Amino acid sequence: ETGVTQTPRHLVMGMTNKKSLKCEQHLGHNAMYWYKQSAKKPLELMFVYNFKEQTENNSVPSRFSPECPNSSHLFLHLHTLQPEDSALYLCASTQGSYYGYTFGSGTRLTVV
Amino acid sequence: AQSVTQLDSHVSVSEGTPVLLRCNYSSSYSPSLFWYVQHPNKGLQLLLKYTSAATLVKGINGFEAEFKKSETSFHLTKPSAHMSDAAEYFCVVSDRSNDMRFGAGTRLTVKP
Repeated sequence: ETGVTQTPRHLVMGMTNKKSLKCEQHLGHNAMYWYKQSAKKPLELMFVYNFKEQTENNSVPSRFSPECPNSSHLFLHLHTLQPEDSALYLCASTQGSYYGYTFGSGTRLTVV
Repeated sequence: AQSVTQLDSHVSVSEGTPVLLRCNYSSSYSPSLFWYVQHPNKGLQLLLKYTSAATLVKGINGFEAEFKKSETSFHLTKPSAHMSDAAEYFCVVSDRSNDMRFGAGTRLTVKP
């Protein structure tokens, strides 16, 4: 375990469902990130939170809604997704990029 | 602005032979540089990092990388490949912000 925990590990959802991905870290890091990793595509940064405040939204569709209630928890709320949203969603945290990011194991999302 | 280019999308080696994964970077400031490894359906794990100390950096699992400012390179090497090294490898650059830029990745295949 890296210290960044993502749940669930796998999720299958229909296009009309609402679900949430959860990320938790108790490393004392102040910045948290959501990344999308699709097959044969580069890693895509989705959202950045610093000290619970969203500092970057990388033109992500509104069907993805992040929430950061405190520095240790990060959620990604999903609704009315499309099949092309199927991917591995990775959460990361850092105390400063000088130290590098710590990644969770990811949630494998399949939209049917 | 900062960016990173991984020069090979796929590298194939035989078990027991050397590994070379190439990375070039661009940064306006003295960068921090990282290599991450990702095994199938797993998150990204930090292999090693350069943060302006020694230019030859040793990481986990026998990997090392050398920072060459004159060539703006940070190539990853290992003297002898093992079957368990088969994975995707990402070169990452960071400057003074909390922003990290990922390369597109190099898939390493190790043949018996």
